[in-house]
Amino acid sequence: DTAVSQTPKYLVTQMGNDKSIKCEQNLGHDTMYWYKQDSKKFLKIMFSYNNKELIINETVPNRFSPKSPDKAHLNLHINSLELGDSAVYFCASRESGSWTGELFFGEGSRLTVL
Amino acid sequence: GQNIDQPTEMTATEGAIVQINCTYQTSGFNGLFWYQQHAGEAPTFLSYNVLDGLEEKGRFSSFLSRSKGYSYLLLKELQMKDSASYLCAVAGEGQNFVFGPGTRLSVLP
Repeated sequence: DTAVSQTPKYLVTQMGNDKSIKCEQNLGHDTMYWYKQDSKKFLKIMFSYNNKELIINETVPNRFSPKSPDKAHLNLHINSLELGDSAVYFCASRESGSWTGELFFGEGSRLTVL
Repeated sequence: GQNIDQPTEMTATEGAIVQINCTYQTSGFNGLFWYQQHAGEAPTFLSYNVLDGLEEKGRFSSFLSRSKGYSYLLLKELQMKDSASYLCAVAGEGQNFVFGPGTRLSVLP
């Protein structure tokens, strides 16, 4: 059973399109994250939700909109895709109750914008 | 603000020992984590330090000095499969979890 699963794993699309990436975790964690890893491999935090509430919203263009229907799901919708959005997007989760809790990552969704 | 620094690349020989350093300045501190990431894969958890000192876990050890804002990951008896990126991350205030730029380690035969 996959702990943190993301779909799709690969996404190739044209500039200007809108796309979504879905994430689900079955670990019972209450906090979920979206990270972006660019071509230089820097893993940058984008958003974090705790029990469906947005708690971290880094400097990310308004074209990116996260949604958490429940604490096990965190989706990412991207409008008007640009070339610079090409990256690997990782979903992750952890249990906020314990600060020893490490992040568990999904396999990543590789987005290529042409 | 958040600032985490690591060397960009390191090279070592199979069977050797390598130390990867990490310095940090963050808003709040609730623990330092090390992750390993192989090319094309997700990061996987290696170690966690919240108190000063050394934590040992098989071939891997991690050290923390909170007063110096410094940590290192020590890898012993290097194997070819240890070639990967090693990411230092800090759990800061709130639920913030910030990663450093990563150190790409190449293990040569």
